[in-house]
Amino acid sequence: DADVTQTPRNRITKTGKRIMLECSQTKGHDRMYWYRQDPGLGLRLIYYSFDVKDINKGEISDGYSVSRQAQAKFSLSLESAIPNQTALYFCATSDLQGTEAFFGQGTRLTVV
Amino acid sequence: SQQGEEDPQALSIQEGENATMNCSYKTSINNLQWYRQNSGRGLVHLILIRSNEREKHSGRLRVTLDTSKKSSSLLITASRAADTASYFCAMVGSGTYKYIFGTGTRLKVLA
Repeated sequence: DADVTQTPRNRITKTGKRIMLECSQTKGHDRMYWYRQDPGLGLRLIYYSFDVKDINKGEISDGYSVSRQAQAKFSLSLESAIPNQTALYFCATSDLQGTEAFFGQGTRLTVV
Repeated sequence: SQQGEEDPQALSIQEGENATMNCSYKTSINNLQWYRQNSGRGLVHLILIRSNEREKHSGRLRVTLDTSKKSSSLLITASRAADTASYFCAMVGSGTYKYIFGTGTRLKVLA
C-alpha cells in the first residue's frame, strides 16, 4: 500500500459545488500539507498542519478549507468550486526534522 | 511570494551529457531538498543538503548550496533517457519546517 493515499484520483465537478479531497497516510508523521500544481507555477502551498490541533494557511488558502480529523487524515475542501481551481492537487507528509516529504499520487480536479 | 524560482524552465540534452538546474529562494532555510516528478505523478525525494553544507553527492547527483546568495544547483552527470522528468527544489524553512517548492525545471534527455 502507498504511504500517502489521495482520493479521488480524478474528479470533474461543476462551478459552485462543494467538493472534498481526502488524504490519509501510514507514515506516522505529524506534519501534513496540501499543495496545488499548475503548469509553469510549480507547487504552491494551500494549507499545512503540524499536528491535529494545528492548522495553518499557506500562500494560496483563499477559497479552500481543511480538516485534520486524525494524525493520519487531512482533507481539503473547496466550499464553492470555481474554474480557476482546476489543477492537480497533492497531499504530502513529512517528519519532524523536515528531512523528507512523501507525496500522494495527486488528485486531478476539473471545475467546469 | 515565498516560492523559489528555478532556471531553466526547460532543458533538452543528449544522453550522456550533464544537466544543471538552478534554484533561488528568499527565506531562511533549515535545509534544501531536490525532488523529481514523472509526468504529473507524485514527487519523489532525491537528495537533501543542510544549511551548513556546501556540497553533497549521491550517485550521479551533485548538489551545491550557497546560503549567502540563497541559491542551489543540481547537477545530473551522464544523463540517461530515464532521467526525463521535472525537477523541483524545496526549501524547508528555518524554525518553521514548512516546505516551499520552486517552480520546477522540465528535463528532457534524448536517446
